[in-house]
Amino acid sequence: DTEVTQTPKHLVMGMTNKKSLKCEQHMGHRAMYWYKQKAKKPPELMFVYSYEKLSINESVPSRFSPECPNSSLLNLHLHALQPEDSALYLCASSQVPLAGAIYEQYFGPGTRLTVT
Amino acid sequence: EDQVTQSPEALRLQEGESSSLNCSYTVSGLRGLFWYRQDPGKGPEFLFTLYSAGEEKEKERLKATLTKKESFLHITAPKPEDSATYLCAVSGYQKVTFGIGTKLQVIP
Repeated sequence: DTEVTQTPKHLVMGMTNKKSLKCEQHMGHRAMYWYKQKAKKPPELMFVYSYEKLSINESVPSRFSPECPNSSLLNLHLHALQPEDSALYLCASSQVPLAGAIYEQYFGPGTRLTVT
Repeated sequence: EDQVTQSPEALRLQEGESSSLNCSYTVSGLRGLFWYRQDPGKGPEFLFTLYSAGEEKEKERLKATLTKKESFLHITAPKPEDSATYLCAVSGYQKVTFGIGTKLQVIP
């Protein structure tokens, strides 16, 4: 059983739509992450939240807007996406990074996003 | 810039045929090296963390080792259910860098 859940599993959206991806973790972690993964590529870090505050934004376009309502929940709001944004979006959680070190991360199953 | 190189990109083994996957890295101040397993269309599953050269960790048929420049994931007597992509990642300063992975296929 995974302790990091993501909804929906699949999402198809048009370029003018607004949608949200949701992530919930039950591991007691205070750091949460969004990654983007294209086929046959490694995960690419998008955002990091520590103690519900955005600590890292890897120069992600503003059409992606993260939100961390509480220590267990992480959302990714999507607006005016492009077809090249189609990918597997992964949420992860970990202990809070200390002295610049990111600890082992526990990933959810991902949301497969298709932008048409 | 931190870099992670994994080899081979793909590996096909007969059931029971042991082998090793390689992860070479360059990072400014290694804060941890991670191994993950990823099945198609799923999120990566955490396997091991290694922190210092000489460290080893084992789990069932898997054993991870670390030197100052590379890590190996040894697979002993693999089974078909070990088929997956194995990702290596390093934690540098406030960042995790993933390798492209080794896709392992174990044939019955």
